[in-house]
Amino acid sequence: GAVVSQHPSRVICKSGTSVKIECRSLDFQATTMFWYRQFPKQSLMLMATSNEGSKATYEQGVEKDKFLINHASLTLSTLTVTSAHPEDSSFYICSARGAKGFSYEQYFGPGTRLTVT
Amino acid sequence: GQNIDQPTEMTATEGAIVQINCTYQTSGFNGLFWYQQHAGEAPTFLSYNVLDGLEEKGRFSSFLSRSKGYSYLLLKELQMKDSASYLCAVIDSNYQLIWGAGTKLIIKP
Repeated sequence: GAVVSQHPSRVICKSGTSVKIECRSLDFQATTMFWYRQFPKQSLMLMATSNEGSKATYEQGVEKDKFLINHASLTLSTLTVTSAHPEDSSFYICSARGAKGFSYEQYFGPGTRLTVT
Repeated sequence: GQNIDQPTEMTATEGAIVQINCTYQTSGFNGLFWYQQHAGEAPTFLSYNVLDGLEEKGRFSSFLSRSKGYSYLLLKELQMKDSASYLCAVIDSNYQLIWGAGTKLIIKP
């Protein structure tokens, strides 16, 4: 149980275009979802936290107008990278937290590798 | 500020035992997680400690001392597939998960 999916797993886009990444909790309701970014050989960097039905809370230094997060339901959150640039190329990982497992445990999706050319 | 320290990299031999340490200074404490992350993949849950002591789960064990702000992950009978990064993460008083930078574990035959 506690499966989180992400789509797409890999995406290549041209500079200036927008990319949407979906994160779904498949067998539980995720009251909170998190979006992380990870550059090669570095640790996870939390970008934002979103609760269903409310606006996302962004970490310092993350542009909310560039990284649009929508958490429309208890099983789906989306991250849209707008006007992508090569420096946005990274591994984006979502996680979900709900009424499963240990309190505050986060279940991770498989990640999305974004390459901006 | 909040800080979690782990060694950047460790090397061990197949079949041996390795201990990965994690020290933390956070605003409050509501539990500590260890995650395993293979290159190019998302983290997977290994253990959770909220009380002092040792939690054993197969080849992996995790220890916590809240008074010392210290935890370790112990891996026994190392296998090549254990080569990965191991991430320590602490839940602070705001119930936010604070991540360490991770320890890259290299297993040699």
